[in-house]
Amino acid sequence: SAVISQKPSRDICQRGTSLTIQCQVDSQVTMMFWYRQQPGQSLTLIATANQGSEATYESGFVIDKFPISRPNLTFSTLTVSNMSPEDSSIYLCSVEDSLAGGDEQYFGPGTRLTVT
Amino acid sequence: AQSVTQPDIHITVSEGASLELRCNYSYGATPYLFWYVQSPGQGLQLLLKYFSGDTLVQGIKGFEAEFKRSQSSFNLRKPSVHWSDAAEYFCAVGAGGTYKYIFGTGTRLKVLA
Repeated sequence: SAVISQKPSRDICQRGTSLTIQCQVDSQVTMMFWYRQQPGQSLTLIATANQGSEATYESGFVIDKFPISRPNLTFSTLTVSNMSPEDSSIYLCSVEDSLAGGDEQYFGPGTRLTVT
Repeated sequence: AQSVTQPDIHITVSEGASLELRCNYSYGATPYLFWYVQSPGQGLQLLLKYFSGDTLVQGIKGFEAEFKRSQSSFNLRKPSVHWSDAAEYFCAVGAGGTYKYIFGTGTRLKVLA
């Protein structure tokens, strides 16, 4: 299975600022995903990021707030813009491992963001 | 619309006891079903998956799950729980071909020594 790393692992940020989270995969993958896990909550899909195309955002998430880049098949970034305390969450990236032959996703360790 | 329900928010079992975590789903076709585990401060680790075929699937760490179409369930089981199994467990359903997962709200497992 793919090995996924994220940077930073955690950060404390002031409201109004922006943070860019990086996701690196050790193999080429077609589809990458970004999720948010709010405190005590389950995971919610933010967007799907495919290389060479614009990210596809889920209902309730917009590009101006969560711009995503996908410059190649092993890397993606998610920016949380103009942060407020409500953005305090764990942000996880995942990849769909097509080599495994099915719709299974593997997750990175997450980025724990606290906005003060 | 797809949905996943995990009725138990918290479960406490004694070490060595058996475990069953419940998961019910709503989906129009045969779903792809998954169980993930999240240890404190960690990402999600895939325990097992069901796509088709044998309805009893084996996973890592001694876990198994049974797909019951008639009950729209995919319950996770383990015959003997270890203290290291204490974590949060998430059931998820995927719509084949769209790669979108819907996660349940999770069940937090506590293991008593």
